[in-house]
Amino acid sequence: DGGITQSPKYLFRKEGQNVTLSCEQNLNHDAMYWYRQDPGQGLRLIYYSQIVNDFQKGDIAEGYSVSREKKESFPLTVTSAQKNPTAFYLCASRAETYNEQFFGPGTRLTVL
Amino acid sequence: ILNVEQSPQSLHVQEGDSTNFTCSFPSSNFYALHWYRWETAKSPEALFVMTLNGDEKKKGRISATLNTKEGYSYLYIKGSQPEDSATYLCAFIPDTGGFKTIFGAGTRLFVKA
Repeated sequence: DGGITQSPKYLFRKEGQNVTLSCEQNLNHDAMYWYRQDPGQGLRLIYYSQIVNDFQKGDIAEGYSVSREKKESFPLTVTSAQKNPTAFYLCASRAETYNEQFFGPGTRLTVL
Repeated sequence: ILNVEQSPQSLHVQEGDSTNFTCSFPSSNFYALHWYRWETAKSPEALFVMTLNGDEKKKGRISATLNTKEGYSYLYIKGSQPEDSATYLCAFIPDTGGFKTIFGAGTRLFVKA
């Protein structure tokens, strides 16, 4: 089945630790995205990548980093510099036709 | 700053009720508007991709309309069922280069049997 996988589903982090969220897709899409969702808010863009070895900051990139070494993979690192990392994180890839996005199941990150 | 507003924020209906939600978006630089359904514990899935002013799309009991000149889209559900309970997201795509999608906060629908 084609789709997007994210792992882990739940992640707990101590303050001061970096953690990496995994995102893999087998849809052969060039573009991939990371979003953050907080209660009562829309999805906010953290980073996006339009092609391998290239990525751009979104609206709330501070405290996050990404890499795009393979077309299939777009991991997100939440660094200790992110002041309020507790949130739900969604990864997506984008089809060429009218930018329809395909989402993974998400990772819920909690800072203890 | 491009902003997408959805109303209401949440909605409680009885099984069999018909309901509708609103998505407001900028009326300039329009490229496309998407509606997604996001069920609990699942990934958001596209319901409709709308691209032309006056578009009307239908999938079963769910339909959507689009007015790009005034910047709004309506999503209708006829005869709501408990399985329709989900968050409905709209997403505006401006014609400014392709990467950007601006999401609304969603309308959370609860359908009681």
